[in-house]
Amino acid sequence: DAKTTQPPSMDCAEGRAANLPCNHSTISGNEYVYWYRQIHSQGPQYIIHGLKNNETNEMASLIITEDRKSSTLILPHATLRDTAVYYCIVRVAYGQNFVFGPGTRLSVLP
Amino acid sequence: EAQVTQNPRYLITVTGKKLTVTCSQNMNHEYMSWYRQDPGLGLRQIYYSMNVEVTDKGDVPEGYKVSRKEKRNFPLILESPSPNQTSLYFCASRAGAGGIFPYNEQFFGPGTRLTVL
Repeated sequence: DAKTTQPPSMDCAEGRAANLPCNHSTISGNEYVYWYRQIHSQGPQYIIHGLKNNETNEMASLIITEDRKSSTLILPHATLRDTAVYYCIVRVAYGQNFVFGPGTRLSVLP
Repeated sequence: EAQVTQNPRYLITVTGKKLTVTCSQNMNHEYMSWYRQDPGLGLRQIYYSMNVEVTDKGDVPEGYKVSRKEKRNFPLILESPSPNQTSLYFCASRAGAGGIFPYNEQFFGPGTRLTVL
């Protein structure tokens, strides 16, 4: 599975959009981009995934560049409860393992 | 409510005393796995199971055993715990082992914080 690079930390003002970047320059054609988050020491929570098209659900939007070498997770109106560590994971469709890197620690500030 | 449960949530034990952490899911998921999380190392997979009676090693299996006798349960066994197994443990499950469900989300339990003295 391809390696991902994320900034270690970011701040965002409450009510503003949080844009979390992820680089995956070695991604291959059959690898999906997944995003999970972990609030404090709770179990990680699935947010969204995509292959090459932009995706949106009730939690977030995922923007994947045309060359698929990077992506951005967008939380449109961040709240204090969105403060968490966000993990970007690249994984083949039939892979068994999710490899969690250090992620980005997002702090939503009042 | 669809969920993954783990017990106990907190455990303090001593070196060498066998222990079992239980994991149960109510979503009829085929795939289950165990992770440990340590500061600076992220989540690392210990063992996984693609279905009943089918288990395989993850990235850090040493010192752990698992069994999958029923679809809903996937206990983690530490036969002789050591202090380096002090960690936060997560059980996870998802439907399918790939195949027609390549992108399904993984559900995580609440975690078990284990301290081995």
